Amino acid sequence: DAGITQSPRHKVTETGTPVTLRCHQTENHRYMYWYRQDPGHGLRLIHYSYGVKDTDKGEVSDGYSVSRSKTEDFLLTLESATSSQTSVYFCAIRAPRESDEQYFGPGTRLTVT
Amino acid sequence: AQSVTQLDSHVSVSEGTPVLLRCNYSSSYSPSLFWYVQHPNKGLQLLLKYTSAATLVKGINGFEAEFKKSETSFHLTKPSAHMSDAAEYFCVVSDLRAGTASKLTFGTGTRLQVTL
Repeated sequence: DAGITQSPRHKVTETGTPVTLRCHQTENHRYMYWYRQDPGHGLRLIHYSYGVKDTDKGEVSDGYSVSRSKTEDFLLTLESATSSQTSVYFCAIRAPRESDEQYFGPGTRLTVT
Repeated sequence: AQSVTQLDSHVSVSEGTPVLLRCNYSSSYSPSLFWYVQHPNKGLQLLLKYTSAATLVKGINGFEAEFKKSETSFHLTKPSAHMSDAAEYFCVVSDLRAGTASKLTFGTGTRLQVTL
């Protein structure tokens, strides 16, 4: 158990509304990641963080922003949700000591109507 | 740049028969390679990992994968399938270099069906 929780676990929202997803870790890992999972695409990286207030874009960052004000929390925000952002969102942390293994949270299923 | 190709989107086997899930990769660096498993409506679990220490890697639940540099392949095998192996499997490559963030690139997944 990598000590990662995500909230909410399920959310339905309307097009145009802002949405924030939260990832919380209990083990003080430096690197955190947000992915989305869609059929036929596997998981794709949205944004990642390499420390408090240090973030960078991934492969599919358009329409998303992130923030990390403390080590344990990494927030993903959809400023104005669109139907194309209906997906399952996974947070991950990277194992320490220069390993590149990542451990994933349970996921958040987001539906934008 | 790095990429992963999972050659089969769906594989069906009978319980007790061997499993072979195929993966080819492309990487500009000496890669780390992983297989992750995702059971229905669950998160992802690390099955095994290759990091150049040994070309044959043993993972959890009886799975193995062999790294073949000449073929740029990292196929996942299991001698005897069990009903509980039914899940989606992802082949993943990492671009880890010193001081970098280790971004993973996922294949599109192979759904393994196990029948009686």
